[in-house]
Amino acid sequence: DIVMTQTPLSSPVTLGQPASISCRSSQSLVHSDGNTHLSWLHQRPGQPPRLLIYKISDRAPGVPDRFSGSGAGTDFTLRISRVEAEDVGVYYCMQGKQFPLTFGGGTKVEIK
Amino acid sequence: QLVDSGGGLVQPGGSPRLSCETSGFAFSGHWMTWVRQAPGRGLEWVASISEDGSLKYYVDSVKGRFTISRDNAKDSLFLQMNSLRVEDTAVYYCVTGRQSFGVWGQGTLVAVSS
Repeated sequence: DIVMTQTPLSSPVTLGQPASISCRSSQSLVHSDGNTHLSWLHQRPGQPPRLLIYKISDRAPGVPDRFSGSGAGTDFTLRISRVEAEDVGVYYCMQGKQFPLTFGGGTKVEIK
Repeated sequence: QLVDSGGGLVQPGGSPRLSCETSGFAFSGHWMTWVRQAPGRGLEWVASISEDGSLKYYVDSVKGRFTISRDNAKDSLFLQMNSLRVEDTAVYYCVTGRQSFGVWGQGTLVAVSS
């Protein structure tokens, strides 16, 4: 199974300041189709998760451009250029390369 | 839109069936997935099914107990859960996709307790 490891576990951030979350996979996420199936999701308290980024860096429809994804192989990063109040919650990375599909443990973003 | 239903309080060993009614997209053209989240915990993939239902994959902890299925004529996804255990307690989400999860249902809580 591919293990997804996120850091940090918690990230206190200042409104208007940048934030970043790292995700590392235990093996390469490059699929035989040539794509790297690493996605990022955001979950606000009491709500279902929402897809932010897929295939490392493609933003899902309606996602603000302050969110960006980068990385390759086994190391990936989600960046928020300027944190807004609505960005609080838990962020998860997920690999879609192979079954069983696996998630990172989550990073909680809160405002200082 | 995805609307999950079928959850509730269930005794250990129980057999509820979760349903997911979909609308607004070409259901038969998408892999579909169930993801669960235990109270206060992270996300766990449970099962996925291919567009025509011919391929099904399960997390090891539910193999032999849960069955994912779909009815493309009714744009609906199902999860038959058998031999439930306390550790199956979670909110179960119906989700579109396999390699990334584009649309999520609101979730249905399955609480396993005697």
